[in-house]
Order: sequence, then C-alpha cells, then structure tokens
Amino acid sequence: AQSVTQLDSQVPVFEEAPVELRCNYSSSVSVYLFWYVQYPNQGLQLLLKYLSGSTLVKGINGFEAEFNKSQTSFHLRKPSVHISDTAEYFCAVNNFNKFYFGSGTKLNVKP
Amino acid sequence: KAGVTQTPRYLIKTRGQQVTLSCSPISGHRSVSWYQQTPGQGLQFLFEYFSETQRNKGNFPGRFSGRQFSNSRSEMNVSTLELGDSALYLCASGGKDYEQYFGPGTRLTVT
Repeated sequence: AQSVTQLDSQVPVFEEAPVELRCNYSSSVSVYLFWYVQYPNQGLQLLLKYLSGSTLVKGINGFEAEFNKSQTSFHLRKPSVHISDTAEYFCAVNNFNKFYFGSGTKLNVKP
Repeated sequence: KAGVTQTPRYLIKTRGQQVTLSCSPISGHRSVSWYQQTPGQGLQFLFEYFSETQRNKGNFPGRFSGRQFSNSRSEMNVSTLELGDSALYLCASGGKDYEQYFGPGTRLTVT
C-alpha cells in the first residue's frame, strides 16, 4: 500500500519569510499528487495538483510544489508567507483511485 | 457550481445510538468518498462509492456503512456508536483530474 510521509508536524515561520513543507511518498508508480489546506473547523481545500508534465506546479495563494520522481518527493513552497497562511497542510497521493493522506503539517505564521 | 454539501454540520449522540450523515457531491461528479478525521489518527479513508457501487473500502469495522443513490448523493451510517467515533467526518467528491473536493464536514460528538 502507498504511504505518505510529512516529516514536519509543525512549522513556525515569520511573516514574509519563505517556507517549505516536505512530503515524501512510497511509490512513484501511477501516482497523482496533491496538496490540500485546512483551516480550523473547515474541510480541505485543494491547493495544487500534479498529474503529469512539468515537475513544477503552481497553485492558489502563491503556493507551488515540485515533483521529484527519483526522490519520491513533492515539497510545497511559498516564497513569502502571510499571517492568513496559518493552517494545516496535507499532502495526498492518488494511486489507482485510492487516496492516501499524510499526517499533516501545521504552519504557524508569526507576525 | 455549488460545492460539496454535508448535513448536518454538528451532531451530538449517545453511546449505543446510530447516526446517518448525508453528502451531496458537486453536480456531475459520480464518485463520493468518506473520511474520518481525529486529532490522534489524522485523516482515515472510510470508503468510496462510484455510480452506486462501493469501489474502495478502508479498514473500519462493519458498524460503518454507506450507500450512494442514483443522483450521486451519499449517506454514511454508523451503528452502535462508541466514544471513539467522535470525529469530523468529511465527504469528498471526485473530479475529472483525479482530485477530490471536500465538503465542510460533520462534527460528530458521542457522549
């Protein structure tokens, strides 16, 4: 079975600083990759997705992620974070129509 | 297009009771998945329905069941509720590019 690892459970960062949230998955065979954001007491919102093609994908709110097949990674980045980016971020893999989620990374943006 | 809707948003039940949660997917989406989210276990996949058939199933006991109707609306039922069933239950409908769109969730509290 597929597994998704988010190495950092919490990431504190100051406003306007860059941030990288790490995600690794266990198999690169026929996977589609996603990042979701969850604000308190809400559902998950799709940030971006990688299906094929260019390994650098851009999403909403200024986020981007890079697919690295050799390292089976799909790290999320933002060059300058805002207070409103404070939320929990989930990496997910779709492998043969089954979704696997990481344990989440809580991003805490400090003023 | 309207997003994924879930009813009710909040629910309080007593141990031993049963509960039914409802989910209406995005118009045109035929896949509906259910997840349980708790602070300790994170996001756990319950099951997925596609065109009224269960296509995938997670590792939950038989007390958790679901169904999908011909209009793609789905219901999830939990019988003989336990305290550990307290969670946020999320429904997601499947898009054409393998992504999932989540509803706001139903917060179930079992006392």
